[in-house]
Amino acid sequence: GENVEQHPSTLSVQEGDSAVIKCTYSDSASNYFPWYKQELGKRPQLIIDIRSNVGEKKDQRIAVTLNKTAKHFSLHITETQPEDSAVYFCAASRTDSWGKLQFGAGTQVVVTP
Amino acid sequence: DAMVIQNPRYQVTQFGKPVTLSCSQTLNHNVMYWYQQKSSQAPKLLFHYYDKDFNNEADTPDNFQSRRPNTSFCFLDIRSPGLGDAAMYLCATSRRFRGSYEQYFGPGTRLTVT
Repeated sequence: GENVEQHPSTLSVQEGDSAVIKCTYSDSASNYFPWYKQELGKRPQLIIDIRSNVGEKKDQRIAVTLNKTAKHFSLHITETQPEDSAVYFCAASRTDSWGKLQFGAGTQVVVTP
Repeated sequence: DAMVIQNPRYQVTQFGKPVTLSCSQTLNHNVMYWYQQKSSQAPKLLFHYYDKDFNNEADTPDNFQSRRPNTSFCFLDIRSPGLGDAAMYLCATSRRFRGSYEQYFGPGTRLTVT
């Protein structure tokens, strides 16, 4: 089955700096890669996703890149703000598994003013 | 607004006393999922429904069961809760769109076992 590894497990950045979280996956048939942000006690919230036919996607301060050959994808947050502090999960899924998500272990991001 | 609703938001049950958690959705999505999330861990899939077809994950304990009486509702039954079942239980829904399934999570039910 699919295995997703996520690094780092914790990330501390100064406000205004960039944050990068990296994930690798094992199943070459995976074709959908969402990123979720989860604040303490709240639901995971989809912040950005990328499909396997695209190499990069950007939404304001957030961008995701995908390298299918190397089977890795990354989340980039620029100009970080204190409200970006949360746990971020990457995930992978394939169409023929009804969207079952295999999550990475999560990254605790702390943005200090 | 279209959404995923979970009730109750907080549930306290006694060791061994059956408990039912509910999820409803107004998104008309045909796929529904139940996840268990323990502190500082990623959500762990328990089972999912594709329409009425039930799919159990191989490592989901027999203590956990589910029902989906119609498209909008899904229930999680824990027959004999143990202390290790204390967790956040998340319901999610999705439908196929552009070859993939975007999942939308409900707010979760925090289960405490005493």
